[in-house]
Amino acid sequence: AQTVTQSQPEMSVQEAETVTLSCTYDTSESDYYLFWYKQPPSRQMILVIRQEAYKQQNATENRFSVNFQKAAKSFSLKISDSQLGDAAMYFCAYRSSNYGGATNKLIFGTGTLLAVQP
Amino acid sequence: ETGVTQTPRHLVMGMTNKKSLKCEQHLGHNAMYWYKQSAKKPLELMFVYSLEERVENNSVPSRFSPECPNSSHLFLHLHTLQPEDSALYLCASSQVKLVGVDEQYFGPGTRLTVT
Repeated sequence: AQTVTQSQPEMSVQEAETVTLSCTYDTSESDYYLFWYKQPPSRQMILVIRQEAYKQQNATENRFSVNFQKAAKSFSLKISDSQLGDAAMYFCAYRSSNYGGATNKLIFGTGTLLAVQP
Repeated sequence: ETGVTQTPRHLVMGMTNKKSLKCEQHLGHNAMYWYKQSAKKPLELMFVYSLEERVENNSVPSRFSPECPNSSHLFLHLHTLQPEDSALYLCASSQVKLVGVDEQYFGPGTRLTVT
């Protein structure tokens, strides 16, 4: 069974600085998808960025980028120029590339609570 | 209404009560999900309705009963819950495709407290 581990329960960053959130996962599959979700306090969870395992190039979305190391099964999120609105719980998630039923499910880590200091 | 909506946003119920959580998606998706979010634990998938097929997590107690009358609506019926069932219950939807990944869109959740 696949597992996702986030070893940093809490992180803090100064506004305008850069922070990296760690995520490791375990799987025997060769093709899969990885995601970072953001859950602000009392607000909906939203997708920040995703990575297809078959792609070697790291995904980027504006100030958000990932460092995907497939051999090491590592998928870290880098937030550049941190803003106060980035304060949230961040979840790393894994999804199988297989189609149908419960394989659609996302397997989540326990999350990292990011505080942004003004 | 847009996206995924959930009602009620907060619910307090006794262990002998029966209540239902409602989820509605306005995105035209073909799959809907119930997740349980407890403090300091990973989100746990409870049920999936995908292309009219229901898939369950076998560890979910029978006091939770899902219902999906159509592709836009999803319910979670609750009865004789336990205090450890107190959690945030999240609904999500996605457009499952034969090729490529589907993005799951989440609702705001229902904060359930069992007394």
